[in-house]
Amino acid sequence: EVQLVESGGGLVQPGGSLRLSCAASGFTFNTFWMYWVRQAPGKGLVWVSRINSDGSSTTYADSVKGRFTISRDNAKNTLYLQMNSLRAEDTAVYYCARTPLLGTIYYFDYWGQGTLVTVSS
Amino acid sequence: DIQMTQSPSSLSASVGDRVTITCRASQSISSHLNWYQQNPGKAPELLIYAASSLQSGVPSRFSGSGSGTDFTLTISSLQPEDFATYYCQQTYSTITFGQGTRLEIK
Repeated sequence: EVQLVESGGGLVQPGGSLRLSCAASGFTFNTFWMYWVRQAPGKGLVWVSRINSDGSSTTYADSVKGRFTISRDNAKNTLYLQMNSLRAEDTAVYYCARTPLLGTIYYFDYWGQGTLVTVSS
Repeated sequence: DIQMTQSPSSLSASVGDRVTITCRASQSISSHLNWYQQNPGKAPELLIYAASSLQSGVPSRFSGSGSGTDFTLTISSLQPEDFATYYCQQTYSTITFGQGTRLEIK
């Protein structure tokens, strides 16, 4: 059974840092691109970051570029999101999701349960 | 970025109704369009990918159509478990989602 389990969320002060983890199981982790998507309270879904299967290529939404870093440890089947210089507007539930690639077609077929990050003083 | 606009933003319907939700892209995205269902407090779940392909395990009452800029998600006969929020997503370029359509019980 495919499982993605996020952890690391919590309350942090503005300007602080947090590292989220996403533990993967039930599939060959090192063959999938992985994503972080966030959802502010009562709002819609927003893509945050993406990493390819071997970790050599990453992309970020403009809103987090230079502050967040996505990485992965394929030996540990774990995806990470290091979040620095956090702002109130980063408050959200953060989901990890996997993407099977069918040529140029891709979609998020499995999501984690999400972890809540609250940035507040 | 490509803007995705869903309509309506909210919708009231009854069990057994046929419902259609539309999603319009600000530029052509070919068939790079996916649909998700999200229940309160839960992660989104994939329903339709590549505009019209039904994800494994999703009931056949869900269907998707469209290409280019205009897409639809249709639920042929609403069931109680279908009352949720639905999002479209384009993956043609930098991923963006629609703002969501909340489907409520009438």
